[in-house]
Amino acid sequence: ELKVEQNPLFLSMQEGKNYTIYCNYSTTSDRLYWYRQDPGKSLESLFVLLSNGAVKQEGRLMASLDTKARLSTLHITAAVHDLSATYFCAVTNAGGTSYGKLTFGQGTILTVHP
Amino acid sequence: GAGVSQSPSNKVTEKGKDVELRCDPISGHTALYWYRQRLGQGLEFLIYFQGNSAPDKSGLPSDRFSAERTGESVSTLTIQRTQQEDSAVYLCASSLPRRLAGYAPSYNEQFFGPGTRLTVL
Repeated sequence: ELKVEQNPLFLSMQEGKNYTIYCNYSTTSDRLYWYRQDPGKSLESLFVLLSNGAVKQEGRLMASLDTKARLSTLHITAAVHDLSATYFCAVTNAGGTSYGKLTFGQGTILTVHP
Repeated sequence: GAGVSQSPSNKVTEKGKDVELRCDPISGHTALYWYRQRLGQGLEFLIYFQGNSAPDKSGLPSDRFSAERTGESVSTLTIQRTQQEDSAVYLCASSLPRRLAGYAPSYNEQFFGPGTRLTVL
């Protein structure tokens, strides 16, 4: 059974600081997704990582994927209040008819304060 | 263009009643997914439709849950004899699976609807 674990689950950051959210998954998959969810809202797609070594950046967020370590990181640079949200990583089960579904991590609640 | 829409946005029901939730995917998206998000938790996969293939129902928690989709359009998720533990936000997503050179045909960026918040009293 595919399991996805994120850490930390709660992250309180000061504005201007850097931090990293980690996402580990238990079985082979080379498609990993990061989503953002604001309170009471739906999920917004941030990044899709398709191959080992993939790195994508958007503004103050940078995501990377190491398929050999089964690890993805979401790095936050010089945090600002607008980044406060819950961040989820999700992995696609590879192969068979179930390849479309996503298995999600528990989510990391990020709070950025002055 | 229009995104994924869901209705109703909120539903309050009494224990034992049946409820029907609706999802309108993005036009042209062949794949449609239902997920459940309990308070403070991540999303749990429920069911997946892809074109005319048999749906993947492996995530449905009990036989009280069922879903249908007509062609590549609207889907309905039905929960019979609702229980309090069914209270959650039910999210629908759609995608257009793409086949990229060098990758299995499972690259599919899922676009989520706003969800239906179900409260069972």
